[in-house]
Amino acid sequence: RKEVEQDPGPFNVPEGATVAFNCTYSNSASQSFFWYRQDCRKEPKLLMSVYSSGNEDGRFTAQLNRASQYISLLIRDSKLSDSATYLCVVGTDSWGKLQFGAGTQVVVTP
Amino acid sequence: EADIYQTPRYLVIGTGKKITLECSQTMGHDKMYWYQQDPGMELHLIHYSYGVNSTEKGDLSSESTVSRIRTEHFPLTLESARPSHTSQYLCASSERTVGDLVEQYFGPGTRLTVT
Repeated sequence: RKEVEQDPGPFNVPEGATVAFNCTYSNSASQSFFWYRQDCRKEPKLLMSVYSSGNEDGRFTAQLNRASQYISLLIRDSKLSDSATYLCVVGTDSWGKLQFGAGTQVVVTP
Repeated sequence: EADIYQTPRYLVIGTGKKITLECSQTMGHDKMYWYQQDPGMELHLIHYSYGVNSTEKGDLSSESTVSRIRTEHFPLTLESARPSHTSQYLCASSERTVGDLVEQYFGPGTRLTVT
């Protein structure tokens, strides 16, 4: 079983709509949680860290559910530039090692 | 923008050749990492380092080796390239903290093709 599982999508989203997706993680000792964004054939870049109480960064909202071991990302008012693959990333090692999901592809259409 | 660099960006090489993928960062980060990523797949950690003269193997077994003689430099070497080594190799670095949320900064990657 993979440590971090994501729905690969693609999620086809009309411009201006809201899209939300989850990822699940298997290690209950996981300590840190992130969403990274990866554009086609580019390197991953941090979108946002995920805090226990949930957090928002502009149009992006992340939630953590430790009891059910899942993380969610919601994108409001989708822009064409939001089209990318979103990687769910979990840290179980306090020294910085991270486990990456395979990503959820989002395609925002005009 | 993260100050982490990888060269070459693209490499096509024949089977049996020795190759070194370069990675350097100017942020003074102690921790550095090498990941391997195939198209549409997740990143797999193949090597990491917590500082100078520290190297560890990652979760995915790899025939490559690494060295960390200087803080800013973390090269990856394949002694004899094979077609199964064809992949994208991503280098990353992060600050040394314990117990905190720590972002990893990625280089642009090296896309390796072994023919």
